[in-house]
Amino acid sequence: DVKVTQSSRYLVKRTGEKVFLECVQDMDHENMFWYRQDPGLGLRLIYFSYDVKMKEKGDIPEGYSVSREKKERFSLILESASTNQTSMYLCASSPLAGGPGDTQYFGPGTRLTVL
Amino acid sequence: GQSLEQPSEVTAVEGAIVQINCTYQTSGFYGLSWYQQHDGGAPTFLSYNALDGLEETGRFSSFLSRSDSYGYLLLQELQMKDSASYFCAVRDRSDSWGKLQFGAGTQVVVTP
Repeated sequence: DVKVTQSSRYLVKRTGEKVFLECVQDMDHENMFWYRQDPGLGLRLIYFSYDVKMKEKGDIPEGYSVSREKKERFSLILESASTNQTSMYLCASSPLAGGPGDTQYFGPGTRLTVL
Repeated sequence: GQSLEQPSEVTAVEGAIVQINCTYQTSGFYGLSWYQQHDGGAPTFLSYNALDGLEETGRFSSFLSRSDSYGYLLLQELQMKDSASYFCAVRDRSDSWGKLQFGAGTQVVVTP
């Protein structure tokens, strides 16, 4: 079974803090993704990575950066957290070869609250 | 760009059938996927349609009409455990990296 883990289920931070969200997958997948999920807006792609040290902006990259130093690990960084970044953050991975519909495997999510 | 539309909520009783529609606009369609997410849980893959027609997996079926830019997920013999959010997602043919665009999700509420 594919396993995607995220470092925290719940996180509370203060405005202006630097925040690191970590994601690890154990299936040697090339692709990794960071989404945020807000009520009524579905899943919106922040950044994705298709290889170590490679990254591409998604639909809403502003205020975020990412790091992928090892294939299994993809980190999302909030350089200076703001209250409008309070959200559920979901990490996902998928193999480069795709699979049916380029199936993505999701982690359990991190609910971040910025005060 | 891409956009997907699906209803925000559907309510049905146990044992009933529910159909969740998804219409999409994309510059180059590749396929339509469905994901299920229980409250507090991770989205999980349910089904995928690349060609027109119906794909059946147990109590769940998914349908695609490429000419109508439309698909649906059919949930039969509804059970309480089917209460969840369901997302349709598309991959654009112009995308090389397996990115998916997700709809806003449909919350299915199953009542006794």
